[in-house]
Amino acid sequence: QSVLTQPPSVSGAPGQRVTISCTGSSSNIGAGYDVQWYQQLPGTAPKLLIYAKSNRPSGVPDRFSGSKSGTSASLAITGLQAEDEADYYCQSYDSSLSGVVFGGGTKLTVL
Amino acid sequence: QVQLVQSGAEVKKSGSSVKVSCKASGGTLRSYGINWVRQAPGQGLDWIGGIIFVFGTTNYAQKFQGRVTITTDESTNTAYMELSSLRSDDTAVYYCARVPYYDILTGYLDYWGQGTLVTVSS
Repeated sequence: QSVLTQPPSVSGAPGQRVTISCTGSSSNIGAGYDVQWYQQLPGTAPKLLIYAKSNRPSGVPDRFSGSKSGTSASLAITGLQAEDEADYYCQSYDSSLSGVVFGGGTKLTVL
Repeated sequence: QVQLVQSGAEVKKSGSSVKVSCKASGGTLRSYGINWVRQAPGQGLDWIGGIIFVFGTTNYAQKFQGRVTITTDESTNTAYMELSSLRSDDTAVYYCARVPYYDILTGYLDYWGQGTLVTVSS
């Protein structure tokens, strides 16, 4: 059971918009700690997608965006493309555990 | 462009230890931290611990306390993660990842190694 809760799967057709939620608590996201998002393509290492809630590293398309409200965060992907099919993970810090925590991951399927 | 290159796959017996290395090229790790994360087959990401490279300050996940040791070698720009008393459920791909600004607990992991598969057999 992950400290940060994500839906196991989401799907969308090419060109559509999808969102992936990441629900935490008052000891992590709700406490104001930064939320990061990673994309993991099959058989590869995770790649940083969004950091500090809504910042994109160089090279990440602006189709990817992050937001946060209360004890939850969300990743939005617009203009869905086949190459976006991957697993997505949120990450933050939890003060009760005194450590880094990840969501359980969400598998995005492009129909 | 920074690259983190990890050591090769390992097969270990239950009860033994494994030491995985993570060598940086294309830049020094002196201003960074290194976190270690593992991923069991078909499962999600699990944080093991981290180290501030130049100071050697470590933080470990509670579930690994007492079994894990993370160290660095500044002369070779390399970080190490040693896990002892291995069990079958330690079978996983182990990743190292760089963290900017020494922020190993609240920061982001911007560059990742390619992963090292550790298989534990009885």
